[in-house]
Amino acid sequence: QQQVKQSPQSLIVQKGGISIINCAYENTAFDYFPWYQQFPGKGPALLIAIRPDVSEKKEGRFTISFNKSAKQFSLHIMDSQPGDSATYFCAASITGGYQKVTFGTGTKLQVIP
Amino acid sequence: DTEVTQTPKHLVMGMTNKKSLKCEQHMGHRAMYWYKQKAKKPPELMFVYSYEKLSINESVPSRFSPECPNSSLLNLHLHALQPEDSALYLCASSQGTGTNEQFFGPGTRLTVL
Repeated sequence: QQQVKQSPQSLIVQKGGISIINCAYENTAFDYFPWYQQFPGKGPALLIAIRPDVSEKKEGRFTISFNKSAKQFSLHIMDSQPGDSATYFCAASITGGYQKVTFGTGTKLQVIP
Repeated sequence: DTEVTQTPKHLVMGMTNKKSLKCEQHMGHRAMYWYKQKAKKPPELMFVYSYEKLSINESVPSRFSPECPNSSLLNLHLHALQPEDSALYLCASSQGTGTNEQFFGPGTRLTVL
């Protein structure tokens, strides 16, 4: 019940295209859903996050769509650029307590010119 | 300063060595974390310190010993490690309870020979 399932495992998108990564969770107690971006040899960096009272959040080219009833959320990267090539992790946590973050399995995105 | 720093960047050690990893943050965060990340996998939580007290130990072997000397510093003492302990060790911090955003450091790449 603590798992966050993420797909696809890898994704190749042409420059200018839309990258879409999907995640699903089971634990309805989760109330914070961040996406992390990780470049090789670096630590994960928070990209964008959403709470379940909002169905969509947009920051620049990055948009999270959230479907509370389906227990699913997704990351859309518009106008994908080669610099977006990285591994993306969705995650979920419960506010308060010790904020244990449950990560998805990761998606390796490659944006080709 | 919104940075978590970690030293060293790389560490190679033998199975009989004793070494330490260091993490520092000056954001006034009261929660600090150690994660272990294997290649192509998400970070796995090891320890959580909240207000300088150990709050979570995710059943980590005793050859890993965390220490939080003060609110800005987090150490991970290593002793008698195994080759399978080779991984990227990530430190993170967050403001504390009530806020979920975790800031990650760049990690220490550990190789155990």
